[in-house]
Amino acid sequence: QQPVQSPQAVILREGEDAVINCSSSKALYSVHWYRQKHGEAPVFLMILLKGGEQKGHEKISASFNEKKQQSSLYLTASQLSYSGTYFCGTADSGGTSYGKLTFGQGTILTVHP
Amino acid sequence: DGGITQSPKYLFRKEGQNVTLSCEQNLNHDAMYWYRQDPGQGLRLIYYSQIVNDFQKGDIAEGYSVSREKKESFPLTVTSAQKNPTAFYLCASSSSRVLGQTKNYGYTFGSGTRLTVV
Repeated sequence: QQPVQSPQAVILREGEDAVINCSSSKALYSVHWYRQKHGEAPVFLMILLKGGEQKGHEKISASFNEKKQQSSLYLTASQLSYSGTYFCGTADSGGTSYGKLTFGQGTILTVHP
Repeated sequence: DGGITQSPKYLFRKEGQNVTLSCEQNLNHDAMYWYRQDPGQGLRLIYYSQIVNDFQKGDIAEGYSVSREKKESFPLTVTSAQKNPTAFYLCASSSSRVLGQTKNYGYTFGSGTRLTVV
């Protein structure tokens, strides 16, 4: 079953912060986050594994609450280059699952000057 | 530089015709995937392969077929049985094994093939 992302869209001014949430009905082993620019391929941002870790990538970080089966992506001091569609991808089993992901429907982030 | 190459970038299919989308990677990744993306929607898994000569159906495999004869290559055929094939098709790969232990790694995506039925 597809994870649910919220919000569906968000509009920011440069320098503002945003949070994108990803929620699953299944027990999760890992959560991936990707950003896709219009007409391009998605680009990997980060992966969070079972264990509740939080990771960072420049001014973008994420958390993973395995008990709630949720992950959140935090974008701080947004830049124009952050604009795009953000997808979470979830893997609902580890071990031999080899990272097969189910993606959310995406969150469109628009950053204005 | 290593990466994934998808071809062609644009493809037009006539009704009743089979077409094959190419996906080649030189990243030495074990796993490869095919996803379909429709406007305003997320990515839906068509087929995936974890090892050469083995592949599994994803969520929307009907009307599609794949092969994995080489580690580097994972072509997707869109058959005439696929009634609504117009979409953006993305191939991805990931490295799932490190020193014999199974790990989860991020996907590397190709640049995609946009298929249109004419």
